[in-house]
Amino acid sequence: DTGVSQDPRHKITKRGQNVTFRCDPISEHNRLYWYRQTLGQGPEFLTYFQNEAQLEKSRLLSDRFSAERPKGSFSTLEIQRTEQGDSAMYLCASSLGVNNEQFFGPGTRLTVL
Amino acid sequence: GESVGLHLPTLSVQEGDNSIINCAYSNSASDYFIWYKQESGKGPQFIIDIRSNMDKRQGQRVTVLLNKTVKHLSLQIAATQPGDSAVYFCAEIPRGTALIFGKGTTLSVSS
Repeated sequence: DTGVSQDPRHKITKRGQNVTFRCDPISEHNRLYWYRQTLGQGPEFLTYFQNEAQLEKSRLLSDRFSAERPKGSFSTLEIQRTEQGDSAMYLCASSLGVNNEQFFGPGTRLTVL
Repeated sequence: GESVGLHLPTLSVQEGDNSIINCAYSNSASDYFIWYKQESGKGPQFIIDIRSNMDKRQGQRVTVLLNKTVKHLSLQIAATQPGDSAVYFCAEIPRGTALIFGKGTTLSVSS
């Protein structure tokens, strides 16, 4: 257990539905990252926050995706109008500052039917 | 021990052998590198890191080597154990942004 938790661990939804995932980072960590991982691939960066500010978004993060970290603690990732191509493991990581170890949560596995 | 010069998607070794997993990174501006281990259904787990001002770093049973000239990273695991079976990823951080993961290598250790 790294200290980063994610909820839910698994989510099955129908195409077109909205889903929201939550990440609770290690409490003193100011940076929080979201990654997506498809089967057989390495994690791909989606977005990251420093405290409550969203500093960077990947091109992978389409308009249907939105992430928030309202109080600089937990974060949510919402996917609207889900598509089958959104099926993946969504990973959250946190770190203390820049260029330091990122600790990953267990991930939320999303299946879109 | 078993070693590979270029990245291979899979590596099979016997328990007790030394394993070497290789990785090529892409960005010459990257100044921080991490090796992660990922078991099935779990998030990546930190193994060892190295900064660009070093070329070697040792941990418990693991050593990371960094060759900036050819942008190559390797992970050496001594006395490989069945519990080391997993997918291993190298990752780089260019200029303090997010991790960029390399292609994973699946390590299988047989008793």
